Amino acid sequence: GDSVTQMEGPVTLSEEAFLTINCTYTATGYPSLFWYVQYPGEGLQLLLKATKADDKGSNKGFEATYRKETTSFHLEKGSVQVSDSAVYFCALIFNTGKLIFGQGTTLQVKP
Amino acid sequence: EAEVAQSPRYKITEKSQAVAFWCDPISGHATLYWYRQILGQGPELLVQFQDESVVDDSQLPKDRFSAERLKGVDSTLKIQPAELGDSAMYLCASTASEGGETQYFGPGTRLLVL
Repeated sequence: GDSVTQMEGPVTLSEEAFLTINCTYTATGYPSLFWYVQYPGEGLQLLLKATKADDKGSNKGFEATYRKETTSFHLEKGSVQVSDSAVYFCALIFNTGKLIFGQGTTLQVKP
Repeated sequence: EAEVAQSPRYKITEKSQAVAFWCDPISGHATLYWYRQILGQGPELLVQFQDESVVDDSQLPKDRFSAERLKGVDSTLKIQPAELGDSAMYLCASTASEGGETQYFGPGTRLLVL
């Protein structure tokens, strides 16, 4: 079935370091892809999305490119801040509207 | 900015008791979702509504869980009787229409079953 796999966490970085969180998916068709972020005690917020192959989603310095050939949607940021500490979820969706999430990756940024 | 509202934010109950969670989606959003998020995992869909109709409840444990959206606006998710394994975050989300659009999430209800 359709699924999303993310790199294991926690990821611990120093402030201003480069961030990569890997995400790969298995799907029978061509889904839209999302990154959601969850801050402690809160619900999920959409971070960025891409709806077709080679699209690049970007927001708040984060970027991810929809790679159909490698079925990946890796999240990157050039310089992380302490305020970026959160749990990041990769997800896919088809036109049924059902979101399928990865297990989440915890990011800890130290000053 | 319009938001999805959920209540209560936290609920502690004893096993075998009944609990209910409420969600009010963004005004005008026809599609409503309930997800369950076990600690350390990603959310999993329990039920999806389009207006007042259930579109997908294949993952809803129907022996103890029920969900309704009587007037196609707000929704209630009920568990009766609660079990220890039901301890989780229950998230509600909504979209303006079915399929492919961004889902907006509420803050969630954190349930602890003792």
